Parts: sequence; C-alpha cells; structure tokens
Amino acid sequence: GAGVSQSPRYKVAKRGQDVALRCDPISGHVSLFWYQQALGQGPEFLTYFQNEAQLDKSGLPSDRFFAERPEGSVSTLKIQRTQQEDSAVYLCASRPGLLRGEQYFGPGTRLTVT
Amino acid sequence: AQKITQTQPGMFVQEKEAVTLDCTYDTSDQSYGLFWYKQPSSGEMIFLIYQGSYDEQNATEGRYSLNFQKARKSANLVISASQLGDSAMYFCAMRETTNFGNEKLTFGTGTRLTIIP
Repeated sequence: GAGVSQSPRYKVAKRGQDVALRCDPISGHVSLFWYQQALGQGPEFLTYFQNEAQLDKSGLPSDRFFAERPEGSVSTLKIQRTQQEDSAVYLCASRPGLLRGEQYFGPGTRLTVT
Repeated sequence: AQKITQTQPGMFVQEKEAVTLDCTYDTSDQSYGLFWYKQPSSGEMIFLIYQGSYDEQNATEGRYSLNFQKARKSANLVISASQLGDSAMYFCAMRETTNFGNEKLTFGTGTRLTIIP
C-alpha cells in the first residue's frame, strides 16, 4: 500500500516568507508526528496529533511554527516569516495506533531559507 | 530527560563483512523501547528493528540483530553479511513517554555506514 507522502520534496524560501509543508499519512493511521532534522543531526520531535487533536506541540521552536490536521488525515506544517535557522528537512511520520509501535516516515521536505 | 549516544560518526566496511553500530542510552524509565532506522540518501527513515526493555531475547530481523545489554544501557545494531545497499545513515532511537501522555522518538546523531566493494 501507499506509504507516507510529503510535498513539496524541496522548498526554497526567501527569509521572511511563509511556507506550508504537507503530509499525507498512511490511510487510517491515528497518530501523526512532525520532526525537524538539521544537517548532520538526528530528527527532533516537533509536534504530535491524535486524529485531529494536536496533543503535544512542545517541540515547536517558536510561535512562527504552526501545525494542523483538521480532518484527522492530511496535516500541514506552516512556518511564518522564515529565518535561516529554519533550514532543515521536515519529516512526517504516522503510526496506526495511539501508543507504541513503529512510526512510518515520509521522505521529508528539504527547506532552504536564503 | 532521555539521551541517545552514537559515538561512531562514520564507518567503512568491506562488503560481506559483519558490522556493529554502537548505541548507548540513558533513561530512568523502567519501560522503554529502542529502535534502529536506516536513512538512505533519498531521505526516508526506514524502520529496521525494535527491542522492548522487557524483551528477554535479542531482537532479530533477517540480517539485522540488536545486541541488547540492559545493564550497560547499550543497544548495538549488528548487520551480518553487509551489502552495497546497506550504505546509509543509521539512527538509534528511544521511545519516550512525554508529560502529555504521548510517545515520541528521541534520536541519536547517527552513524554513516559506507560499504566498500
């Protein structure tokens, strides 16, 4: 079956622009996660959704970062007024259940802020 | 707070040899889980193997096995009979329960494995 998909795969933004990154999880997966992966580092947790509810946004680095999953399937990560330090790969992952089990990752969106 | 340490930034291994990728962790939780993911140049994180803290047997999945030493807090990945397609970044991760009742993954910094023909 289809895995997690993300779009766009690459995004170049000028500093100060707003960007929106999309994640299509595996159909029926309840849990959805966003991670940020800086160059040469492991992914770091940003936020978590259980269906449409955002239950944990403790990893969002600033109030410029906003995520939503209005119908409990597709999710969008929005970054307002992008800055150079926002340059990273943004990974989305989904999991079938509420707790435990492996997370299935998408290919990521590479964001470059110039 | 939990921490994952991968001390090998890069490794070069001859094709068909076995390779061990090191991972140590730090946690005060009694119940936890450890994962290994592979990240090829395409960027996608591919799940390889999982070990629960209460699992008595070391996990195995095909050519992958996890050498789990609980007292030493280590969870090394062993790849037998390495292949050229094994060249990638490898991340060790721990399942962490947050204050919000959610479970998230905390990752190490990774090891870049290069298989030499």
